[in-house]
Amino acid sequence: SAVISQKPSRDICQRGTSLTIQCQVDSQVTMMFWYRQQPGQSLTLIATANQGSEATYESGFVIDKFPISRPNLTFSTLTVSNMSPEDSSIYLCSVETTLYGYTFGSGTRLTVV
Amino acid sequence: GNSVTQMEGPVTLSEEAFLTINCTYTATGYPSLFWYVQYPGEGLQLLLKATKADDKGSNKGFEATYRKETTSFHLEKGSVQVSDSAVYFCALSGENSGYSTLTFGKGTMLLVSP
Repeated sequence: SAVISQKPSRDICQRGTSLTIQCQVDSQVTMMFWYRQQPGQSLTLIATANQGSEATYESGFVIDKFPISRPNLTFSTLTVSNMSPEDSSIYLCSVETTLYGYTFGSGTRLTVV
Repeated sequence: GNSVTQMEGPVTLSEEAFLTINCTYTATGYPSLFWYVQYPGEGLQLLLKATKADDKGSNKGFEATYRKETTSFHLEKGSVQVSDSAVYFCALSGENSGYSTLTFGKGTMLLVSP
């Protein structure tokens, strides 16, 4: 399957600060997806990042809080801005390829204190 | 919109017991259906998938059949092992603004004891 390298794998951050999560794929992909998994919950799609255009955000998520960059076909970042304890979650990036379908990164476990 | 409903957990079984985790879905069109597994402290891994009605996905002893008439995709395994303890997510892929995205169920935790 497509190999996704996501980092950091975990972090503990102070409230009010921001964290940028990186996602690197070993092949070129059109769409990259960012998900949030709150403790004990399922995955919720935050946004879809298409190279060369603005990310598309799902209901309940806004660009000011979760800015996304997609500078090329193998890389994307998600920033969690002005963090509060409610942002403590696992954040995952995902790609879809014709050959392998959907593949997920190993996730970033974020704790905000 | 699309939605996935899974049976609530945790499901607690003894080793070698039979496993069923129910999953039903609501979707427009003809979605593909997936089961993902998340082992403790790890990311999601694709367990199996089915892309059209009556398809059976299988992997590592797990099976699920795409039942369009009952809009279901129940996960089964004949004999579970302790190493199968994980959270299992049912998901479907559907169209969203011109591209497909995944919609997940809430997940079902499976605990297998020796």
